[in-house]
Amino acid sequence: GNSVTQMEGPVTLSEEAFLTINCTYTATGYPSLFWYVQYPGEGLQLLLKATKADDKGSNKGFEATYRKETTSFHLEKGSVQVSDSAVYFCALSDRRQAGTALIFGKGTTLSVSS
Amino acid sequence: KAGVTQTPRYLIKTRGQQVTLSCSPISGHRSVSWYQQTPGQGLQFLFEYFSETQRNKGNFPGRFSGRQFSNSRSEMNVSTLELGDSALYLCASSLDSSNQPQHFGDGTRLSIL
Repeated sequence: GNSVTQMEGPVTLSEEAFLTINCTYTATGYPSLFWYVQYPGEGLQLLLKATKADDKGSNKGFEATYRKETTSFHLEKGSVQVSDSAVYFCALSDRRQAGTALIFGKGTTLSVSS
Repeated sequence: KAGVTQTPRYLIKTRGQQVTLSCSPISGHRSVSWYQQTPGQGLQFLFEYFSETQRNKGNFPGRFSGRQFSNSRSEMNVSTLELGDSALYLCASSLDSSNQPQHFGDGTRLSIL
């Protein structure tokens, strides 16, 4: 079945450091891929998405490229801020199926200090 | 544009009771999905409704059920509550199709005593 694997956290960085959060997926079809972010006490917010191979999603300085050959969708940011501290979830949805069910990774907690 | 609204934000119930959670999607969105979030299992898909019909279902027991109304608002019901049902229940809406991102509400925190 479909699944998503994320690197275990927590990830602790200093402000302005480079961020990478690894995400790999298993899917029999051609999924759409997403990164969501969750701040304390809130629901999930879509950070970026990619719907086909080699697509690059980007938003607020974050980027991720859909790599079909390595089945990966790693999240990167060149210079993190304290306000980026949150839990990040990688997710996929199977486009072969009707509907929009998302399969999530376990989440990676990012803590950025000034 | 108003976001996804979930009510109530917090609930405390005891074992054996039942509970109903409500979700109002973004205006114009016809798909509503429900997820359970726990520290141990993470985010798990419960079910999805589209045009008042259940379109997808996750791997949860029959105690978990839902419905969608003609205005796309959705409710989920959990009967015979167990301690393990304590979780954050998230609702998400989208226009349609798996290419469209889902927009999440802030969730209902359910605690079972």
